[in-house]
Amino acid sequence: QVQLVESGGGVVQPGTSLRLSCVASGFTLGRSAMHWIRQAPGKGLEWVAVTSYDGNSDYGDSVKGRFIISRDNSKNTLYLEMNRLRTEDSAIYYCSRDAPSYGCFDRWGQGTLVTVSS
Amino acid sequence: DIQMTQSPSSLSASVGDRVVITCRASQYIRHDLGWYQQKPGKAPERLIYSASTLERGVPSRFSGSGSGTEFTLTISSLQPEDFATYFCLQHYTYPLTFGPGTTVDVK
Repeated sequence: QVQLVESGGGVVQPGTSLRLSCVASGFTLGRSAMHWIRQAPGKGLEWVAVTSYDGNSDYGDSVKGRFIISRDNSKNTLYLEMNRLRTEDSAIYYCSRDAPSYGCFDRWGQGTLVTVSS
Repeated sequence: DIQMTQSPSSLSASVGDRVVITCRASQYIRHDLGWYQQKPGKAPERLIYSASTLERGVPSRFSGSGSGTEFTLTISSLQPEDFATYFCLQHYTYPLTFGPGTTVDVK
């Protein structure tokens, strides 16, 4: 059974850093592109970043240069290193996959809440 | 970036009603579109992928159609568990973009 479990959220001050994790089970992380998506309270969904199966990455404009997506296939874990956090980064962060034969975002984690506040 | 618009932004409906939600892309996206349902406090769940393919386990009252730039999600007979917010997503090109959502509530 495919499962994605995010962790690492919390309350932090502007300008600081935080690292999120997403542990995958039920499938092989290394064969999938993996994404982070976020949702500010009461708002819509915003794509944040992707790491492809071959290690390439891409980012949304609002986080480019501040966030780093990475993966450890041996641990079946996806990461999001968030630096120079801003209040507008406050959101629930979800991880999801784009897997062969299953397509884009067929499964999501439950999300982890990041609050950036002074 | 490809902009996704949805209409309506919200609608009120009754159980048994037919509901149609439209999603438009600012550029051609082939059939690389998915529809997602989200209930309060929960992660989104995919209903439709490749514009018209029903996700396994999703009731057949849900259907999707369209290609290119205009897409629709239809709920043929609204059920109590269908009151939720619906989003479209284009995954044709990066950055991936979502529609702003359509909230379906009780009339």
